[in-house]
Amino acid sequence: DSGVTQTPKHLITATGQRVTLRCSPRSGDLSVYWYQQSLDQGLQFLIQYYNGEERAKGNILERFSAQQFPDLHSELNLSSLELGDSALYFCASSVAGSDRYEQYFGPGTRLTVT
Amino acid sequence: AQSVTQLGSHVSVSEGALVLLRCNYSSSVPPYLFWYVQYPNQGLQLLLKYTTGATLVKGINGFEAEFKKSETSFHLTKPSAHMSDAAEYFCAVSAGTNAGKSTFGDGTTLTVKP
Repeated sequence: DSGVTQTPKHLITATGQRVTLRCSPRSGDLSVYWYQQSLDQGLQFLIQYYNGEERAKGNILERFSAQQFPDLHSELNLSSLELGDSALYFCASSVAGSDRYEQYFGPGTRLTVT
Repeated sequence: AQSVTQLGSHVSVSEGALVLLRCNYSSSVPPYLFWYVQYPNQGLQLLLKYTTGATLVKGINGFEAEFKKSETSFHLTKPSAHMSDAAEYFCAVSAGTNAGKSTFGDGTTLTVKP
């Protein structure tokens, strides 16, 4: 158990819909990262927040957005969903914003878009 | 900019044989290097990391990796494979910019034959 929690574990929804994925980091960690993992694209970094502020941005689509709240939990919002958005979405946390620190991954949310 | 290449998307070894998973990186600044393992239906878990200092790094479950700057490599090894080592392994590089962003390789699936 990494100490990172993600909800829900599974999500099935239809094209065009909007969903919210939630992540609670390990106690004491200030950074939260979001990743998308699919068979054809592998593990893709989406976005990082550090203490409530956006720190780094990766291959995140404009239809996707995220935020980190004052209690440090984070939400990833996916809208206008397409079949290709079906994937595992991981949240990870680390103690600080520096990339010398390892990331602790949650168990993931499996999103299926039908 | 940084990148990482994992040579061989699938590696198969017999139980008790040497495990060697290859990772080469590219970074314009001294890198931080990580190996993560992902078991089926789970998130990634840190195996080991290199930041500075000793170039031979020991991790969990008997794995180790050696940072070779001249070869821009960070190969993962284990002297004797166990059935429980079957998983997907990811090499990751960070550029030390405090941006918090790691670049992950495409992963290598390790199969252990009895």
